[in-house]
Formats: sequence, C-alpha cells, structure tokens
Amino acid sequence: EIVLTQSPGTLSLSPGERATLSCRASQSVSSRNLAWYQQKPGQAPWLLIYGASSRATGIPDRFSGSGSGTDFTLTISRLEPEDFAVYYCQQYGSAPLTFGGGTKVEIK
Amino acid sequence: QVQLVESGGGVVQPGRSLRLSCAASGFTFSSHGMHWVRQAPGKGLEWVAVISNDGSRKYYGDSAKGRFTISRDNSKNMVYLQMNSLRAEDTAVYHCAKETIAAAGTFDFWGQGTLVTVSS
Repeated sequence: EIVLTQSPGTLSLSPGERATLSCRASQSVSSRNLAWYQQKPGQAPWLLIYGASSRATGIPDRFSGSGSGTDFTLTISRLEPEDFAVYYCQQYGSAPLTFGGGTKVEIK
Repeated sequence: QVQLVESGGGVVQPGRSLRLSCAASGFTFSSHGMHWVRQAPGKGLEWVAVISNDGSRKYYGDSAKGRFTISRDNSKNMVYLQMNSLRAEDTAVYHCAKETIAAAGTFDFWGQGTLVTVSS
C-alpha cells in the first residue's frame, strides 16, 4: 500500500497569498496518477487536479499541480476567501487507492 | 445536474449488518465506475470499494475485504454497499462517488454521504 504524507498539517495564510502544499509518497506513484481534492466543512470533497497537473472541469487556473515519482505539490497562486479548506492528495496508480491525511489552509 | 444521494445509514450494534444505497441521476450511470469512500468523524478519507460500470469487476480496500460487498443495478441507477460484521472502527460518513472518465480511480462527483454509527 502506498502511504501518502501531506505537509504541513495546517497552513495559516492571508487572502491574496500563495499556498504551497506538499504530498510525499512512500513509493513511486506510477504514471503521475496523483489527484488533489478540496473539502469544506460539512461538504463532500471536490476534485481539483488529476494526473498530477491536469485541472478538473471548472477549476480556476489559480490552482496548479506538479511533481512526479514520490513528490507532488499543489499550489494556489493567490488565495481567495473560498479557498480556505482542507486539501487531500490521493494516488490511483496502484491498489488500494489511498489518500493523504490532509492539509488545512486557514485564514491567518 | 449530477446528483448522488446516499441512504441507509444509522446506528447499529457491533457484529450486525447494514445496507447502504446510493441513487444516481444527471449522468449516464452505466458508463461510470462507482466507488464508496468513507470518512470517520473529524478524520481523513478512506477508500472502501469500487465496482466497474457493468458490475463485472469489484475491488475492496483492506478494511472492507471479506465483510463488505458492493453491487449496482444499472436499470435503477443505484449502487449499494452491504456491510456485515460491523465494528466500532467502521463508524464514518459513507460517500458514494462517481469515477472520472478521464482518470479512472479518481472521483469527479461525490454524494453528501450517510452516517453509520456502530455502537452498543
């Protein structure tokens, strides 16, 4: 099973700032099969990025993903008020599908 | 618009069974794999099971193997999760999720979930 470790656990930033979230895998994620989701309190998660860097339908271009192998990054170029949430990475390159523990982006 | 509505959750004693249902609408149900993903209160996400679009292939996470069974009825646009021998650690919100066509194994729409509480 591939274990995903996300850091930091909590990121305290102000609107307009840049957010950089990390996801590290215990072994290489095949074919860049890494996705990112956003979850707001009381809501279901929402797909942001798949294939490490492809934005899902309707996702604004301030969200970008990068990385390969064992190290992946989600960047939010300029935080909007609606971006404060918890973010999860997920690998789908090998069974079982696994998620990271999440990074909470909170308002500073 | 896409809708996934889960039902069937509730409070159940350890060792008992529960069947969850997910009603899908707004998309071509028979074209998509469907998953169950759970989230314990205040915790992260855990993948539970997947069923292929035609129901011929099913895979389970380690916590579900041997106890849970996923199934679907394409004539009714429904997906199910039969959960047997429930344990306290199965307490969670259970979401059904629609598989992304462009990236099998990812989920481009989730239901709001149904809460399962396993307690004596």
